[in-house]
Amino acid sequence: SYELTQPPSVSVSLGQMARITCSGEALPKKYAYWYQQKPGQAPVLVIYKDSERPSGIPERFSGSSSGTIVTLTISGVQAEDEADYYCLSADSSGTVVFGGGTKLTVL
Amino acid sequence: QVQLVESGGGVVQPGRSLRLSCAASGFTFSTYGMHWVRQPPGKGLEWVAVIWYDGNNKYYADSVKGRFTISRDNSKNTLYLQMNSLRAEDTALYYCTREFIAGWFDPWGQGTLVTVSS
Repeated sequence: SYELTQPPSVSVSLGQMARITCSGEALPKKYAYWYQQKPGQAPVLVIYKDSERPSGIPERFSGSSSGTIVTLTISGVQAEDEADYYCLSADSSGTVVFGGGTKLTVL
Repeated sequence: QVQLVESGGGVVQPGRSLRLSCAASGFTFSTYGMHWVRQPPGKGLEWVAVIWYDGNNKYYADSVKGRFTISRDNSKNTLYLQMNSLRAEDTALYYCTREFIAGWFDPWGQGTLVTVSS
């Protein structure tokens, strides 16, 4: 079955840049979406269609795509950005898949 | 306001069945695809199933195919998940969520906890 691969954890100092990657064979043909989940809360979309940012999401969140890898970048990380981040996409049959998630720690 | 409220979770023995419900309000339910997503305690999100706006198409994760059935009643603004032959690995918080646009899930319910244990 189709898989999206993320690093389990990323650590970054306050105010620095964080990059979280997600790799998958179908990503050149399928859009990726990024969700932020804080403890005890439901996920929140922060990036859609690889690089679009929903209204209300801070400009420091951005997304990019290159081949089989998509990247979520958080510029000038804030303490409140500490959370789990999940990429989401679909395989060739349209089945939805989440990545395994990345725990972002702000030092 | 746009809201989803899940119910029906609980403790169930392996091999038994359970039906989850998700009551929708604040939007035209019959015009949106709906999904179930689950999250085992302390673990990541796992997509479970989707049903199109009219109920005519349904897709499932391999891990639940043949055991779970997603359905909807547009006259009652309610989404369902019938779960049969439950296993310990089905233990999770089950969320329902609306597909606002493709891949964009919003809102999410608060989740209902299913625990499969003898």
